[in-house]
Amino acid sequence: RKEVEQDPGPFNVPEGATVAFNCTYSNSASQSFFWYRQDCRKEPKLLMSVYSSGNEDGRFTAQLNRASQYISLLIRDSKLSDSATYLCVVNPAGGYQKVTFGTGTKLQVIP
Amino acid sequence: DAGVTQSPTHLIKTRGQQVTLRCSPKSGHDTVSWYQQALGQGPQFIFQYYEEEERQRGNFPDRFSGHQFPNYSSELNVNALLLGDSALYLCASSSGWRNNEQFFGPGTRLTVL
Repeated sequence: RKEVEQDPGPFNVPEGATVAFNCTYSNSASQSFFWYRQDCRKEPKLLMSVYSSGNEDGRFTAQLNRASQYISLLIRDSKLSDSATYLCVVNPAGGYQKVTFGTGTKLQVIP
Repeated sequence: DAGVTQSPTHLIKTRGQQVTLRCSPKSGHDTVSWYQQALGQGPQFIFQYYEEEERQRGNFPDRFSGHQFPNYSSELNVNALLLGDSALYLCASSSGWRNNEQFFGPGTRLTVL
């Protein structure tokens, strides 16, 4: 089993739609979790951290389910500019930043 | 405030050659991590440098080596290049080895012919 798994997509959604991505991880000792956004042929950029209590930033909501070992990202009212690949990132326990990236989920928002 | 910078932006090499990629971290950052990203894949962790030492290493052969300088900049060296080494090489910096928020540079696209 891969350490971090994501549905590669692509997810093709119309503008204004709500879309959700899940990401599962295998190491139950993992401590911190993130969502990054990567535009085509660009570097990944931090979108948001994922906290145990869940967190929201505008149209974006991230949640963590430790019991089932997955994190999720919900995007409401999708914009054309949301089209990108969304990478989930898991940081194992121990403090050192040996982060593990998922393969990414591609989102295409259609006019 | 300069972000993470990498050089060169593109590089073409042939099999068996050696390559050195360079990274300057964001101002105020002291930790540098290197990643390899193949087309259609997520970034794969190569190694991390803090206080001029390699602190963590991913599943990459010894052909991949690195260095961190006193000014926190870093180099990634790859020897005996293989076709499969063709990828985007990303450098990420952060402040302190416990800090999880990483900032990525634009990457170096390496093509091995």
